[in-house]
Amino acid sequence: QVQLIESGGGVVQPGRSLRLSCAASGFTFNTYSLHWVRQPPGKGLEWVAFISSDGSLKHYSDSLKGRFTISRDNFQSTLYLQMNSLGPDDTAVYFCARETSYSGAGSFDYWGQGTLVTVSA
Amino acid sequence: DIQMTQSPSSVSASVGERVSISCRASHGIGAWLAWYQQKPGKAPNLLIFGASHLQSGVPSRFSGSGSGTDFTLTISSLQPEDFATYYCQQADSFPWTFGQGTKVEFK
Repeated sequence: QVQLIESGGGVVQPGRSLRLSCAASGFTFNTYSLHWVRQPPGKGLEWVAFISSDGSLKHYSDSLKGRFTISRDNFQSTLYLQMNSLGPDDTAVYFCARETSYSGAGSFDYWGQGTLVTVSA
Repeated sequence: DIQMTQSPSSVSASVGERVSISCRASHGIGAWLAWYQQKPGKAPNLLIFGASHLQSGVPSRFSGSGSGTDFTLTISSLQPEDFATYYCQQADSFPWTFGQGTKVEFK
């Protein structure tokens, strides 16, 4: 079965960096686009970043101001999110999500369980 | 960026009632709209994609309609397991964006 398992979250001081990982299994990793979505405590969902199946295309939320970088390793079936210059507003549960393969879908059919990032001094 | 606005922000309903949630896009998005259900402490679950297509395994009491800027998620007969928060999401153009959520509560 499809599994997405995030790791790398934790408590980090403002201004520091953190790298999240998302290990995938149960599907042909290199044929799916992937995304990161985050959710601050008690708040709604916020789309963060996209990467195409081969890693050649990337898009980011405007609010990140170039601080985050999405990448993937198709040999290791792992998705990454490098987060730099973290601030309190980056405190959230970070989900990795698989984009639905159906043409015209534009949705997320599988999600990880999420990893909590807390930015605090 | 395309803004997604859901209404209402919350709705109180009883088991068996019909519930409708609206989602409006700031620009036309064709049928590039999905709906998700999220329960506390869990990841979202895809209900509808392409505005009206039911995701495999989702009960048929859920349905989606609309195109362009106005969309609706309808639960035809609310069940106890449907009390949750619902989000719409557009995929017409990057950055993809979500609505602010609608919480369906027990009356």
